Amino acid sequence: DVKVTQSSRYLVKRTGEKVFLECVQDMDHENMFWYRQDPGLGLRLIYFSYDVKMKEKGDIPEGYSVSREKKERFSLILESASTNQTSMYLCASSPGSGTGSRTPLHFGNGTRLTVT
Amino acid sequence: QKEVEQNSGPLSVPEGAIASLNCTYSDRGSQSFFWYRQYSGKSPELIMSIYSNGDKEDGRFTAQLNKASQYVSLLIRDSQPSDSATYLCAGAGQNFVFGPGTRLSVLP
Repeated sequence: DVKVTQSSRYLVKRTGEKVFLECVQDMDHENMFWYRQDPGLGLRLIYFSYDVKMKEKGDIPEGYSVSREKKERFSLILESASTNQTSMYLCASSPGSGTGSRTPLHFGNGTRLTVT
Repeated sequence: QKEVEQNSGPLSVPEGAIASLNCTYSDRGSQSFFWYRQYSGKSPELIMSIYSNGDKEDGRFTAQLNKASQYVSLLIRDSQPSDSATYLCAGAGQNFVFGPGTRLSVLP
């Protein structure tokens, strides 16, 4: 079974803090994704990566950055946390390279981040 | 804007009935379709994948795809209260696109 592990289940941070959300997958997948999910807004793609050291902006990248130094690890960084970044953050991975992958995404358990 | 649309629900069905969840998509380049189940406060869990026109059955679940009509559905037979969740439809072509989800409630 694919395992996607997010480092924290719940996180509380203060406004202005730099926040790191970590995600590790154990299936040697090329593709990794960060989404946030908010009531009424569905899943929104923040950033994704198709290879080590490669990143692409998703639909809502503002206020976020990412790092992929190793194939299995994809980190989401909130440079200066704000209250509107309070959300459920979901990491996902899938096999296959490049765009147009036909394979499904496998999600981690999610990190519920609260910024006060 | 490439979209996947679903009725947000809630869809309520009695225990033992068939639940029918529907999804339409706008991107004709989408090749693969997936259904995810998401319990409240949890992450989405893949339950079905479908890649070609027709039906695909897996236990109590049947996914149906009609590319000409740009329509995907999920049937859940013998619905159980444990099936109560939000069901997300997703299409994959150039990118992955998720629908907003349909909330299903199975009443005992």
